[in-house]
Amino acid sequence: QKEVEQDPGPLSVPEGAIVSLNCTYSNSAFQYFMWYRQYSRKGPELLMYTYSSGNKEDGRFTAQVDKSSKYISLFIRDSQPSDSATYLCAMRTGAGSYQLTFGKGTKLSVIP
Amino acid sequence: GAGVSQSPSNKVTEKGKDVELRCDPISGHTALYWYRQSLGQGLEFLIYFQGNSAPDKSGLPSDRFSAERTGGSVSTLTIQRTQQEDSAVYLCASSLARYNEQFFGPGTRLTVL
Repeated sequence: QKEVEQDPGPLSVPEGAIVSLNCTYSNSAFQYFMWYRQYSRKGPELLMYTYSSGNKEDGRFTAQVDKSSKYISLFIRDSQPSDSATYLCAMRTGAGSYQLTFGKGTKLSVIP
Repeated sequence: GAGVSQSPSNKVTEKGKDVELRCDPISGHTALYWYRQSLGQGLEFLIYFQGNSAPDKSGLPSDRFSAERTGGSVSTLTIQRTQQEDSAVYLCASSLARYNEQFFGPGTRLTVL
């Protein structure tokens, strides 16, 4: 079992839909959780960053972390065609660690 | 104010040749990372540089891979005697310090024929 599991999709939704992206992980030491967005032929860019369990909202994006279930989610409300990209979850352990462990990414297409 | 830049953007080489990939981090960023992204795989950590400290090479897949960072700025990733399984996108990232947000470059797409 890989440390971080992420359904690669592809996921196709109509414009305006609510999108749910998820990752599960096995290492209970992970404390910092991130979501990156990667457009085709570009490098990943940080979208959301959360510490430990809980929710974080930023505009149309909400990140949720459930450490008891080792499960993280990213919700996109009112999805737009410009949201079409690959979404990567990433995580790292305590403050002394800089290494990120990534999921494989989920490819999302938002159809106008 | 430019972001992380990488060159070349694409590289096609023949099996057995050596290649050099270059990364220019954001000015003032002390931490620099190299990752590999293979088709259908997540980003795989390769190597980490922090200031003048010895690099963390724990992610390098074989001794054909090496990297250096000159003057605490530009970094070069070298792959010797390339193999077809080395075909991937090689991404460089930098951060202000070791635990800060990592900013990624656009990557170098390496194809080994």
